[in-house]
Amino acid sequence: DAGVTQSPTHLIKTRGQQVTLRCSPKSGHDTVSWYQQALGQGPQFIFQYYEEEERQRGNFPDRFSGHQFPNYSSELNVNALLLGDSALYLCASSKFLTGQDLLIANVLTFGAGSRLTVL
Amino acid sequence: GNSVTQMEGPVTLSEEAFLTINCTYTATGYPSLFWYVQYPGEGLQLLLKATKADDKGSNKGFEATYRKETTSFHLEKGSVQVSDSAVYFCALGGATNKLIFGTGTLLAVQP
Repeated sequence: DAGVTQSPTHLIKTRGQQVTLRCSPKSGHDTVSWYQQALGQGPQFIFQYYEEEERQRGNFPDRFSGHQFPNYSSELNVNALLLGDSALYLCASSKFLTGQDLLIANVLTFGAGSRLTVL
Repeated sequence: GNSVTQMEGPVTLSEEAFLTINCTYTATGYPSLFWYVQYPGEGLQLLLKATKADDKGSNKGFEATYRKETTSFHLEKGSVQVSDSAVYFCALGGATNKLIFGTGTLLAVQP
């Protein structure tokens, strides 16, 4: 059973360019979240998608945008890249649950990440 | 707002030593607490979790107890192995399944 798969694994861009990162969730999962992990830091929540809509958003500018497709896969787009966007971008999938079910059962499954370097 | 404060590393131990990595949190409501582990070149893997006060999460010899009175969730293991070398993240989650992570603690276990 494949877990969360992300592509590409590594990429290098220059300032001002645009990038698209892709994520396929674990089988049976319908919710995708994206996190940014700067070097030496913990992951920071970017946004979460469910039913092809952005459901939650962290403290990131609107240069960061996303999309979820009917097969639950997702893309993260970053426009007008800055040096500070260099990071490991992690995708996490889960099954949509609410309330007590969420607290008891839900766990995020993370992919290995896409390492973005902005020069 | 909600936050997680984690013991700074790196932590360097000899094989079979006792491990403690401290984690404290600030939160409104009743969050769930997690420890994730990140091995070199890999994504995050869930190590253990606890969903309410006094719960003890355990896995692979690691344990952590959700202490509401001290707002803590310290990670412990009685005897570490070289294969436990990794970065450990404490995290807090709420009703929306958004996780807030600490900055991570690098553990290096020497043979």
